[in-house]
Amino acid sequence: ILNVEQSPQSLHVQEGDSTNFTCSFPSSNFYALHWYRWETAKSPEALFVMTLNGDEKKKGRISATLNTKEGYSYLYIKGSQPEDSATYLCALSNSGYALNFGKGTSLLVTP
Amino acid sequence: DAGITQSPRHKVTETGTPVTLRCHQTENHRYMYWYRQDPGHGLRLIHYSYGVKDTDKGEVSDGYSVSRSKTEDFLLTLESATSSQTSVYFCAISEGSYEQYFGPGTRLTVT
Repeated sequence: ILNVEQSPQSLHVQEGDSTNFTCSFPSSNFYALHWYRWETAKSPEALFVMTLNGDEKKKGRISATLNTKEGYSYLYIKGSQPEDSATYLCALSNSGYALNFGKGTSLLVTP
Repeated sequence: DAGITQSPRHKVTETGTPVTLRCHQTENHRYMYWYRQDPGHGLRLIHYSYGVKDTDKGEVSDGYSVSRSKTEDFLLTLESATSSQTSVYFCAISEGSYEQYFGPGTRLTVT
């Protein structure tokens, strides 16, 4: 079992604020780091899969960075919108497919 | 959306009864997974499959068995349901180490 920690547990921001979350993981036996977005009453939806130290990925206003040597990844949301409200999960793979998920960061964006 | 369906979507059963949940995909992905989602625990891997008749245990496999006789179907069986198995069960699929696509979930209540 790989210990994946996410912080903060929850976050409440105003529309237009930029925000970021942290995912920490053991740096040994790293294979891939996944980020998922999970809206209430829906299924988790993949945002990014990152494998290389120093990787940076971007999708619209959401971006992520990866540091495998120190064992962390950051997820950034620029100019948060109410539709960004969701739980953001990170997950670690050390084998190529089976994932160990963190407990997530719950984001609420109010107008 | 990836073609993943789960059945049933909701089920209430009594302690001690057998229960089988079905995951069906139309994407021809090699890997299939069963997770459970519980408050305070996030998503935890129960079992996964890396091909027809090829399965392996995940983090919380006790009390569960799986079978995969066809590429498109992955069955999760609770041999004798217990109240601790009340949960929301998600199936997911992937092609190797790429992102996983999740089904809509099955809410199981064991009374």
